[in-house]
Amino acid sequence: GAVVSQHPSWVICKSGTSVKIECRSLDFQATTMFWYRQFPKQSLMLMATSNEGSKATYEQGVEKDKFLINHASLTLSTLTVTSAHPEDSSFYICSAGGPVSYEQYFGPGTRLTVT
Amino acid sequence: GENVEQHPSTLSVQEGDSAVIKCTYSDSASNYFPWYKQELGKRPQLIIDIRSNVGEKKDQRIAVTLNKTAKHFSLHITETQPEDSAVYFCAASVDTGRRALTFGSGTRLQVQP
Repeated sequence: GAVVSQHPSWVICKSGTSVKIECRSLDFQATTMFWYRQFPKQSLMLMATSNEGSKATYEQGVEKDKFLINHASLTLSTLTVTSAHPEDSSFYICSAGGPVSYEQYFGPGTRLTVT
Repeated sequence: GENVEQHPSTLSVQEGDSAVIKCTYSDSASNYFPWYKQELGKRPQLIIDIRSNVGEKKDQRIAVTLNKTAKHFSLHITETQPEDSAVYFCAASVDTGRRALTFGSGTRLQVQP
């Protein structure tokens, strides 16, 4: 149980275009999902907290107009990287809060490369 | 906010030896401390966690200790094997209200056969 999927697993896009990443909880309802970004050889850094039916809470330094987060259902959150630039190239990982409040279940990640 | 520091950044041990990774945290409200193993290009995998109502927890070759007074916790891996080679992250959070995790900077463990 507690499986989280992400789609796509990898994507290459041109600078200036937008990319949407989906995060789904497959066998449980997730009222809260988290989006992390991980640059090569670095740690996971929280970008935003997404609550179903309400606006996401963004961490300091994360542009909310550039990284659009939508959590329209209890099983799906999406992250859209708008007007992507090469410096947005990174590994984006979502996690979903499980039935037990402190547990988190990670998606497999999405490797974004902006050329 | 919470700040988690992790040491060492790299650790090389011989197969069969023990490995210890240490983390400190800043927010006294944190009471949930998971450890993750991450292989290249993969998601973090939870290997063990501890909550602040206990001081030590063990699962086969892996153990975690917590000193809440000093605000530090450690991961102990005994009888290391080459397949233990990976990056390990500690994290801290609060165990209520579905809070995000604050991660340490990671430790690259290399187990030499």
